[in-house]
This record gives sequence, C-alpha cells and structure tokens, in this order.
Amino acid sequence: DQQVKQNSPSLSVQEGRISILNCDYTNSMFDYFLWYKKYPAEGPTFLISISSIKDKNEDGRFTVFLNKSAKHLSLHIVPSQPGDSAVYFCAASDRFYNTNAGKSTFGDGTTLTVKP
Amino acid sequence: NAGVMQNPRHLVRRRGQEARLRCSPMKGHSHVYWYRQLPEEGLKFMVYLQKENIIDESGMPKERFSAEFPKEGPSILRIQQVVRGDSAAYFCASSSLSTGTADNEQFFGPGTRLTVL
Repeated sequence: DQQVKQNSPSLSVQEGRISILNCDYTNSMFDYFLWYKKYPAEGPTFLISISSIKDKNEDGRFTVFLNKSAKHLSLHIVPSQPGDSAVYFCAASDRFYNTNAGKSTFGDGTTLTVKP
Repeated sequence: NAGVMQNPRHLVRRRGQEARLRCSPMKGHSHVYWYRQLPEEGLKFMVYLQKENIIDESGMPKERFSAEFPKEGPSILRIQQVVRGDSAAYFCASSSLSTGTADNEQFFGPGTRLTVL
C-alpha cells in the first residue's frame, strides 16, 4: 500500500513555462510535506516544505500547494529553467505532532526535463 | 560546514559477504535515517536512530540487516550475507529534530551504491 503517490513518472516542459508536479497521499495523519530534488549520483536535496496548517508556501520560483480535503499537493516551478531538470520526490511525515516521528514516506519520483 | 557524509560511495560485494555502510551526520544533528532506493523506485525508509537508540526500524528487513548509531562515531548500516537483491543505493539523512516544529527537514548524504555480484 503506497501512501504517497506521484502518478506521473516524467514531465517535459519548455524553458520559461510553468512546471507542475503532482503528489497524492492516503494517510490522513501526515501533517508535514516536503519536496526534494535529486540529480543522478547525488543524494536528494531539500527544496521546499509545507505544514498542514497552511495551503500554500512560496520560495522564489517554487510554490507548493496543499489541498488537505483532496489529500493532494503540487509543486509549481515558474519560470522553469534547464537546470531544474532532475527527479523530484514528494515526501510526507507525521512529525509535527508525533515527537518520535522522523521518517518521511517518499513517492517514486517524477523526472522533470526542461527543454531550452 | 560539512554536510552528511557517507562512505564508501561505491561498494562491490560477492553474494554471502558482509557490507558495512557508514554515515556521519551533519554537525549538531543527532537524528539519523537510512533509506534504500532500488532501481526505478523511490526512497524507502529503513530505520531511524538517535544516539545509541533505534527509534523506528519498521522498514528494516527482518533478517541480515542491522543498524547502529553509537555514542561516538558514525552510524553503521550492516548487511550480512548479501544477496543480489540487496543491490541498491543506500542514502543516509540527518536532522536536528525539534519537538513540535516543522523546520526540521532531513539533509541527505550522497549515498552508497552497493552492487552484489
């Protein structure tokens, strides 16, 4: 039973346009969500996060939207740049309220390709 | 300001041998997590440790796998009698978990790529 799903394995976008990466989750106990970016042969790098008390968090070109009723979140990248080409992982945890929680549950990732 | 360090970066073992993967967390971090990434899959949680304590090992296979995070030194993920299915990238992450706060994202190391021949 996969609790965090990224249904699109890949996404291709033209430079300068918007990239929208989607993520769905099933566990209603999740209260903290993160996006990571991963280049080949490197570890994931934290990108942006959002807690369940918010529905939007913005950091430069990156915005994460959370729809708790739909158990859905999305990452918007505007404008997209060729350097954004990477695998993007959505992750979720119940760490905010559970003091012993630490693990994050990851989706399988979406490979974003931004074409010049 | 060193990040999370993992060594070795690449490890080749024959079936039946032991694999030891090491992880040094970021300075000031006392929480360590191990994840495994199989080819074409996402990261799967294995174990969460604090110094000298295993907090959550719900993702660890029941046999052959063990982890520790001693008072001094790096965290070790140990795989005994490796099999071909253990071939994967193993990532370590660390955080400075604070109670009731959300600003405690995990910082990942570069991973150890284990190949079992």
